[in-house]
Amino acid sequence: ILNVEQSPQSLHVQEGDSTNFTCSFPSSNFYALHWYRWETAKSPEALFVMTLNGDEKKKGRISATLNTKEGYSYLYIKGSQPEDSATYLCAPGSGSSGSARQLTFGSGTQLTVLP
Amino acid sequence: DAGVTQSPTHLIKTRGQQVTLRCSPKSGHDTVSWYQQALGQGPQFIFQYYEEEERQRGNFPDRFSGHQFPNYSSELNVNALLLGDSALYLCASSWHSISYEQYFGPGTRLTVT
Repeated sequence: ILNVEQSPQSLHVQEGDSTNFTCSFPSSNFYALHWYRWETAKSPEALFVMTLNGDEKKKGRISATLNTKEGYSYLYIKGSQPEDSATYLCAPGSGSSGSARQLTFGSGTQLTVLP
Repeated sequence: DAGVTQSPTHLIKTRGQQVTLRCSPKSGHDTVSWYQQALGQGPQFIFQYYEEEERQRGNFPDRFSGHQFPNYSSELNVNALLLGDSALYLCASSWHSISYEQYFGPGTRLTVT
């Protein structure tokens, strides 16, 4: 069973601030790291899937990096907007080859962007 | 294109009862995974179905069982409900051959009283 830790647990920032969160996970038996954004009363929305050490992905103002050797990933939001308020979940996938691997989620970082 | 859908949205059951939750995967997807999210925690993997068989299972008791139909839709059954089964149950679908992306439904909120 993977132990996935996300920090901080919650975060309040002002509109326009830039922020970042951390996801740490065991680096063994790793195949991919997923980031999801989850707004209240909606479905979790996939942001990024990263597989290679040193991967960097970007989607608008949001970007993520991956270090598989030391087992961590950072999510960055530049110029936060109120609509970025959500819970951000990371989930390393693990397991042997085969069908879609099971995801082990962290508890998430709850971001609130104040106008 | 409809995404992942789940039914019902909410339901309330009493201890000892049985419940069935339903999930229709995203069009073109053939694999369904179920997750339980208890309050304050991240989603926990229950099991995964592909080709109408359970392929992987998380650390959940046998009271949790499932089924996948030929049209790839799936059911999650929980028997002998406990208060601790109160949670949000999420379904995620994916395409077997492309194992990275999993798309989630909005979930079913189960309350056990």
